[in-house]
Amino acid sequence: EADIYQTPRYLVIGTGKKITLECSQTMGHDKMYWYQQDPGMELHLIHYSYGVNSTEKGDLSSESTVSRIRTEHFPLTLESARPSHTSQYLCASRQGAGTGELFFGEGSRLTVL
Amino acid sequence: AQSVTQLGSHVSVSEGALVLLRCNYSSSVPPYLFWYVQYPNQGLQLLLKYTTGATLVKGINGFEAEFKKSETSFHLTKPSAHMSDAAEYFCAVSETNAGKSTFGDGTTLTVKP
Repeated sequence: EADIYQTPRYLVIGTGKKITLECSQTMGHDKMYWYQQDPGMELHLIHYSYGVNSTEKGDLSSESTVSRIRTEHFPLTLESARPSHTSQYLCASRQGAGTGELFFGEGSRLTVL
Repeated sequence: AQSVTQLGSHVSVSEGALVLLRCNYSSSVPPYLFWYVQYPNQGLQLLLKYTTGATLVKGINGFEAEFKKSETSFHLTKPSAHMSDAAEYFCAVSETNAGKSTFGDGTTLTVKP
Protein backbone atom coordinates (compact mmCIF):
# COMPACT_ATOMS: atom_id res chain seq x y z
CA GLU A 1 0.00 0.00 0.00
CA ALA A 2 1.38 3.34 -1.08
CA ASP A 3 1.83 6.04 1.53
CA ILE A 4 1.09 9.09 -0.54
CA TYR A 5 -1.80 11.35 0.31
CA GLN A 6 -3.64 14.06 -1.52
CA THR A 7 -6.07 16.61 -0.17
CA PRO A 8 -8.68 17.65 -0.92
CA ARG A 9 -10.08 14.71 -2.87
CA TYR A 10 -12.82 16.89 -4.35
CA LEU A 11 -12.99 20.67 -4.66
CA VAL A 12 -15.57 22.91 -6.31
CA ILE A 13 -14.68 26.60 -6.41
CA GLY A 14 -15.52 29.77 -8.27
CA THR A 15 -13.46 31.46 -10.93
CA GLY A 16 -10.64 33.65 -9.65
CA LYS A 17 -10.10 31.81 -6.39
CA LYS A 18 -6.65 30.72 -5.25
CA ILE A 19 -6.32 27.03 -4.49
CA THR A 20 -3.61 24.73 -3.21
CA LEU A 21 -3.66 20.99 -3.72
CA GLU A 22 -1.67 19.17 -1.09
CA CYS A 23 0.47 16.10 -1.63
CA SER A 24 2.50 14.31 1.02
CA GLN A 25 4.40 11.04 1.03
CA THR A 26 5.93 9.15 3.93
CA MET A 27 8.23 6.90 1.90
CA GLY A 28 11.21 9.27 1.81
CA HIS A 29 11.15 9.43 -1.98
CA ASP A 30 13.28 12.11 -3.59
CA LYS A 31 11.32 12.34 -6.81
CA MET A 32 7.78 13.67 -6.93
CA TYR A 33 5.46 14.45 -9.83
CA TRP A 34 2.16 16.14 -10.64
CA TYR A 35 0.05 14.80 -13.48
CA GLN A 36 -3.10 16.33 -14.94
CA GLN A 37 -5.62 13.79 -16.13
CA ASP A 38 -8.18 14.80 -18.74
CA PRO A 39 -11.71 13.41 -18.83
CA GLY A 40 -10.47 11.27 -21.72
CA MET A 41 -8.01 9.64 -19.29
CA GLU A 42 -4.74 10.91 -20.76
CA LEU A 43 -2.07 11.69 -18.19
CA HIS A 44 0.05 14.78 -18.73
CA LEU A 45 3.10 15.60 -16.62
CA ILE A 46 2.85 19.22 -15.47
CA HIS A 47 5.51 19.47 -12.74
CA TYR A 48 8.23 17.37 -11.18
CA SER A 49 10.85 17.61 -8.49
CA TYR A 50 14.02 15.63 -7.94
CA GLY A 51 14.57 16.87 -4.42
CA VAL A 52 14.23 19.74 -1.97
CA ASN A 53 14.33 23.16 -3.66
CA SER A 54 14.25 21.49 -7.09
CA THR A 55 11.21 21.96 -9.33
CA GLU A 56 10.78 21.68 -13.08
CA LYS A 57 7.95 22.17 -15.52
CA GLY A 58 6.67 19.08 -17.23
CA ASP A 59 5.63 18.29 -20.76
CA LEU A 60 2.26 20.06 -20.57
CA SER A 61 2.27 23.79 -19.96
CA SER A 62 0.36 24.69 -16.83
CA GLU A 63 -0.48 27.94 -15.07
CA SER A 64 0.00 26.21 -11.73
CA THR A 65 3.12 26.44 -9.59
CA VAL A 66 4.73 24.01 -7.18
CA SER A 67 7.19 24.12 -4.32
CA ARG A 68 9.38 21.56 -2.58
CA ILE A 69 10.55 22.87 0.76
CA ARG A 70 10.43 19.49 2.46
CA THR A 71 11.12 16.06 1.00
CA GLU A 72 7.72 14.73 1.91
CA HIS A 73 5.60 17.65 0.73
CA PHE A 74 4.91 18.81 -2.86
CA PRO A 75 1.95 21.21 -3.02
CA LEU A 76 0.48 22.60 -6.24
CA THR A 77 -1.01 26.10 -6.34
CA LEU A 78 -3.29 27.91 -8.76
CA GLU A 79 -3.29 31.65 -8.08
CA SER A 80 -6.50 32.34 -9.99
CA ALA A 81 -8.57 29.35 -10.98
CA ARG A 82 -10.46 29.26 -14.27
CA PRO A 83 -12.96 26.75 -15.73
CA SER A 84 -10.19 25.49 -18.03
CA HIS A 85 -8.39 24.23 -14.90
CA THR A 86 -11.18 21.77 -14.22
CA SER A 87 -9.49 18.38 -14.17
CA GLN A 88 -8.16 15.59 -12.00
CA TYR A 89 -4.71 16.17 -10.56
CA LEU A 90 -2.60 13.15 -9.58
CA CYS A 91 0.48 13.32 -7.40
CA ALA A 92 3.10 10.57 -7.59
CA SER A 93 6.50 9.72 -6.18
CA ARG A 94 9.30 7.26 -6.79
CA GLN A 95 12.59 6.23 -5.26
CA GLY A 96 15.70 7.84 -6.68
CA ALA A 97 17.35 4.52 -7.41
CA GLY A 98 14.86 1.72 -7.55
CA THR A 99 12.98 -0.16 -10.20
CA GLY A 100 11.25 2.94 -11.41
CA GLU A 101 7.62 2.44 -10.51
CA LEU A 102 5.53 5.40 -9.52
CA PHE A 103 3.37 5.46 -6.42
CA PHE A 104 0.22 7.52 -6.89
CA GLY A 105 -2.08 9.34 -4.56
CA GLU A 106 -5.83 8.99 -5.00
CA GLY A 107 -6.11 12.27 -6.87
CA SER A 108 -7.72 15.65 -6.40
CA ARG A 109 -10.68 16.37 -8.62
CA LEU A 110 -11.00 20.11 -9.19
CA THR A 111 -14.09 21.78 -10.64
CA VAL A 112 -13.97 25.50 -11.35
CA LEU A 113 -17.33 27.14 -11.97
CA ALA B 1 12.81 10.22 -26.83
CA GLN B 2 10.27 7.74 -25.56
CA SER B 3 6.65 7.15 -26.45
CA VAL B 4 3.86 4.67 -25.85
CA THR B 5 0.96 3.63 -28.04
CA GLN B 6 -1.95 1.68 -26.65
CA LEU B 7 -4.00 0.10 -29.40
CA GLY B 8 -7.69 0.33 -28.67
CA SER B 9 -9.08 2.91 -26.28
CA HIS B 10 -11.93 0.55 -25.35
CA VAL B 11 -11.83 -3.22 -25.00
CA SER B 12 -14.88 -5.29 -24.07
CA VAL B 13 -14.73 -8.95 -23.09
CA SER B 14 -17.09 -11.45 -21.53
CA GLU B 15 -16.48 -12.72 -18.04
CA GLY B 16 -14.15 -15.72 -18.25
CA ALA B 17 -12.71 -14.70 -21.61
CA LEU B 18 -9.12 -13.85 -22.40
CA VAL B 19 -8.05 -10.26 -21.78
CA LEU B 20 -5.50 -8.77 -24.19
CA LEU B 21 -4.50 -5.12 -23.95
CA ARG B 22 -1.91 -3.97 -26.45
CA CYS B 23 1.03 -1.66 -25.84
CA ASN B 24 3.84 -0.67 -28.17
CA TYR B 25 6.69 1.56 -27.09
CA SER B 26 9.52 3.57 -28.53
CA SER B 27 12.73 4.09 -26.62
CA SER B 28 16.29 4.96 -27.55
CA VAL B 29 17.70 2.79 -24.77
CA PRO B 30 16.60 -0.45 -23.10
CA PRO B 31 13.34 0.55 -21.49
CA TYR B 32 11.68 0.07 -18.17
CA LEU B 33 8.05 -0.85 -18.88
CA PHE B 34 5.01 -0.73 -16.64
CA TRP B 35 1.32 -1.45 -16.58
CA TYR B 36 -0.88 0.47 -14.17
CA VAL B 37 -4.57 0.07 -13.36
CA GLN B 38 -6.94 2.85 -12.32
CA TYR B 39 -10.31 2.20 -10.72
CA PRO B 40 -12.98 4.94 -10.68
CA ASN B 41 -12.07 7.94 -8.56
CA GLN B 42 -8.71 6.45 -7.63
CA GLY B 43 -5.08 7.02 -8.48
CA LEU B 44 -3.03 4.58 -10.52
CA GLN B 45 -1.78 1.32 -9.04
CA LEU B 46 1.11 -0.74 -10.37
CA LEU B 47 0.05 -4.04 -11.97
CA LEU B 48 3.46 -5.22 -13.12
CA LYS B 49 6.80 -4.02 -14.41
CA TYR B 50 9.66 -5.10 -16.65
CA THR B 51 13.15 -3.88 -15.87
CA THR B 52 15.69 -6.54 -16.87
CA GLY B 53 15.87 -10.31 -16.97
CA ALA B 54 12.92 -12.58 -17.68
CA THR B 55 10.76 -11.22 -20.45
CA LEU B 56 7.51 -12.73 -19.13
CA VAL B 57 6.44 -10.73 -16.14
CA LYS B 58 3.70 -11.73 -13.72
CA GLY B 59 1.76 -9.15 -11.77
CA ILE B 60 -1.11 -8.85 -9.39
CA ASN B 61 -4.66 -10.13 -9.96
CA GLY B 62 -3.52 -12.81 -12.44
CA PHE B 63 -2.19 -10.41 -15.07
CA GLU B 64 1.02 -10.94 -16.98
CA ALA B 65 2.90 -9.22 -19.79
CA GLU B 66 5.65 -10.22 -22.16
CA PHE B 67 8.44 -7.90 -23.25
CA LYS B 68 9.21 -8.46 -26.93
CA LYS B 69 12.14 -6.35 -27.99
CA SER B 70 11.89 -7.26 -31.68
CA GLU B 71 8.28 -6.11 -31.76
CA THR B 72 8.77 -3.23 -29.28
CA SER B 73 5.70 -4.51 -27.50
CA PHE B 74 4.59 -5.13 -23.94
CA HIS B 75 1.05 -6.53 -24.20
CA LEU B 76 -0.95 -7.26 -21.07
CA THR B 77 -2.92 -10.49 -20.76
CA LYS B 78 -5.11 -12.36 -18.34
CA PRO B 79 -6.46 -15.82 -19.16
CA SER B 80 -9.90 -15.33 -17.63
CA ALA B 81 -11.56 -11.97 -17.08
CA HIS B 82 -13.41 -11.20 -13.88
CA MET B 83 -16.00 -8.49 -13.36
CA SER B 84 -13.63 -6.79 -10.93
CA ASP B 85 -11.09 -6.30 -13.74
CA ALA B 86 -13.21 -3.54 -15.26
CA ALA B 87 -11.03 -0.43 -15.02
CA GLU B 88 -8.69 1.84 -16.95
CA TYR B 89 -5.29 0.41 -17.86
CA PHE B 90 -2.20 2.45 -18.66
CA CYS B 91 1.06 1.33 -20.21
CA ALA B 92 4.13 3.42 -19.39
CA VAL B 93 7.79 3.55 -20.41
CA SER B 94 10.81 5.05 -18.68
CA GLU B 95 14.28 5.21 -20.14
CA THR B 96 15.90 4.98 -16.74
CA ASN B 97 14.70 3.76 -13.39
CA ALA B 98 14.52 7.30 -12.07
CA GLY B 99 13.60 9.39 -15.09
CA LYS B 100 10.28 10.65 -16.28
CA SER B 101 7.64 8.13 -17.27
CA THR B 102 5.65 8.50 -20.46
CA PHE B 103 2.12 7.09 -20.38
CA GLY B 104 -0.09 5.77 -23.11
CA ASP B 105 -3.56 7.19 -23.56
CA GLY B 106 -5.13 4.36 -21.60
CA THR B 107 -7.52 1.51 -22.41
CA THR B 108 -10.91 1.13 -20.80
CA LEU B 109 -11.65 -2.52 -20.10
CA THR B 110 -15.31 -3.50 -19.82
CA VAL B 111 -16.24 -6.97 -18.62
CA LYS B 112 -19.68 -8.25 -19.58
CA PRO B 113 -21.50 -10.82 -17.46
